[in-house]
Amino acid sequence: GDSVTQMEGPVTLSEEAFLTINCTYTATGYPSLFWYVQYPGEGLQLLLKATKADDKGSNKGFEATYRKETTSFHLEKGSVQVSDSAVYFCALGGGGSNYKLTFGKGTLLTVNP
Amino acid sequence: DTAVSQTPKYLVTQMGNDKSIKCEQNLGHDTMYWYKQDSKKFLKIMFSYNNKELIINETVPNRFSPKSPDKAHLNLHINSLELGDSAVYFCASSQEVTTKETQYFGPGTRLLVL
Repeated sequence: GDSVTQMEGPVTLSEEAFLTINCTYTATGYPSLFWYVQYPGEGLQLLLKATKADDKGSNKGFEATYRKETTSFHLEKGSVQVSDSAVYFCALGGGGSNYKLTFGKGTLLTVNP
Repeated sequence: DTAVSQTPKYLVTQMGNDKSIKCEQNLGHDTMYWYKQDSKKFLKIMFSYNNKELIINETVPNRFSPKSPDKAHLNLHINSLELGDSAVYFCASSQEVTTKETQYFGPGTRLLVL
């Protein structure tokens, strides 16, 4: 079945540091890939998505590129802020199961001033 | 306007009680979901409904019963609450049933069973 493997946290960075959170997947078919973010005490919200190979999703300075050859969708940001502190989830949809979104385990990011 | 709303936000109750959580979306979406998030932040799909029809029932105990009175509402009733039911429950919705679509999440209901 479909699966998502995400870099284990927690990740602690200083403000303005470079961020990478690794995400790899296994799936059949042609899935869409997502990064969702959960700020403290809130629900998940979409950060960015990509629907086909070589697509790059971007939002709020975050980027991720859908790499079919390495089955990866790594999240990057050039300069993190304290307000980026949150849990980040990589997710896959429309793969082997068209009706179930498959989430990674989440990565807690803490950014210190 | 809140796109996906849930009530209550917090729920503290005793073991053995019955409780309900309500969810409403004003996005005009056809598909709604319930997820459970445990203390380690792991998310697990419980149910999904499309146009009031059950699509997914992900091996959830029978004590959990979803009800969708219309496309905009998906409620979750839990009978005989157990300690292990303590978690955050999220409602979500999407335009279509395929999970290639973005899902929109509510703020969560934090359930604590004592």
